[in-house]
Amino acid sequence: DIVMTQSPDSLAVSLGERASINCKSSQSIFHNTYDKDYLGWYQQKPGQPPRVLIYWASTRESGVPDRFSGSGSGTDFTLTISSLQAEDVAVYYCQQYYSFPYTFGQGTRLEIK
Amino acid sequence: QVQLVDSGGGVVQPGESLRLSCAASGFTFSHYGMHWVRQAPGKGLEWLAFIRFDGSDKQYADSVKGRFTISRDNSKNTLYLQMNSLRTADTAVYYCAKTTPGHFDTWGQGSLVTVSS
Repeated sequence: DIVMTQSPDSLAVSLGERASINCKSSQSIFHNTYDKDYLGWYQQKPGQPPRVLIYWASTRESGVPDRFSGSGSGTDFTLTISSLQAEDVAVYYCQQYYSFPYTFGQGTRLEIK
Repeated sequence: QVQLVDSGGGVVQPGESLRLSCAASGFTFSHYGMHWVRQAPGKGLEWLAFIRFDGSDKQYADSVKGRFTISRDNSKNTLYLQMNSLRTADTAVYYCAKTTPGHFDTWGQGSLVTVSS
């Protein structure tokens, strides 16, 4: 199974500042045939289901603010929020969909400093 | 709009069975693969099962293989998760999710399953 490890487990950032969350996979999730990294980022607020923010490692989902961006390839990925807003307080998960069983990172809790 | 509505959760005793349903609307259900994901109280997300758009392929997490069965009825636009031999460790909110394929672009609101004696 592919293990997804996020860092840090929790993060406190001031409003308007940049927040970065890292995700590392235990093996490459880059698919040579399709030239894509099979990685998604999800945001989950309390009492709500997760919501996809980023897929194929760097493609922003429709309706997601452009302050959210994804980067990286192979085994190392980053979700960046360029200017933290109050509504961004949530838990963030990375997920690989390269091979079954699909696996999620353990989650990163983002709070306001 | 695209919507998934989870139902069927409840309180059961260890060893009992339960069937969850996920009603889809707003898209052509029969064209998309579907997944089940769960979240134990205060914990992270755990992928459980996948079914291909036509039901011809199914995949399971080891934690539920042999106990849970994913199925779908494309005529009713509904996804199911039959859960047998339930354990206290299966207590969680269960979500259905639509795949594009690849990432999960739509999620149900979740259905709480509590396994307790």
